[in-house]
Amino acid sequence: DIQMTQSPSTLSASVGDRVTITCRASQSISSWLAWYQQKPGKAPKFLIYKASSLESGVPSRFSGSGSGTEFTLTISSLQPDDFATYYCQHYNSYSRTFGQGTKVEIK
Amino acid sequence: QVTLKESGPVLVKPTETLTLTCTVSGFSLSNVRMGVSWIRQPPGKALEWLAHIFSNDEKSYSTSLKSRLTISKDTSKSQVVLTMTNMDPVDTATYYCARDGGKGGCDYWGQGTLVTVSS
Repeated sequence: DIQMTQSPSTLSASVGDRVTITCRASQSISSWLAWYQQKPGKAPKFLIYKASSLESGVPSRFSGSGSGTEFTLTISSLQPDDFATYYCQHYNSYSRTFGQGTKVEIK
Repeated sequence: QVTLKESGPVLVKPTETLTLTCTVSGFSLSNVRMGVSWIRQPPGKALEWLAHIFSNDEKSYSTSLKSRLTISKDTSKSQVVLTMTNMDPVDTATYYCARDGGKGGCDYWGQGTLVTVSS
């Protein structure tokens, strides 16, 4: 099975900061990667697919990059609404795997 | 608009079988390359993908839980059903269904349903 490892597990940042979250796959997954944002008590929100495609309606301060085994989610200028937990997810024809999550906290 | 809603028991006993239903609207389960996934999240923990079913009835399961899971769909009722056998307290979690297909990833999610396993 493909394993997805996110780093860091927790990130403390201030409003306006540039934030980067990394997701590593245990083997090459091409660009088959999605990113989600989850707030407490809520279902995850779909942010990015195919590693770098921004879902409609998602603010442009969110961006994704990478291919193969290393991927990043970047928030160019952190806003109060962005404090949440972020998950990466690998997907292919026969499997999906989530990373363990990265919590973005207020510094 | 696209919506998904999970339904099922809130409490099950250890060793029992859990049956959850996801009722969808705003899209058809017969749309080409459209699918639905089930995902769960134990309290305070990470998301865990469980199973997926495509419009062509192709199914896939989490390797670690494959022996306990069955996913099926009734296109005429717009429903996807997940069964999980031999429930244990560690299976206590919020269970989500999500639309999963087309562009890749889960673009629409249900609100989730908390299932507690306890005697």
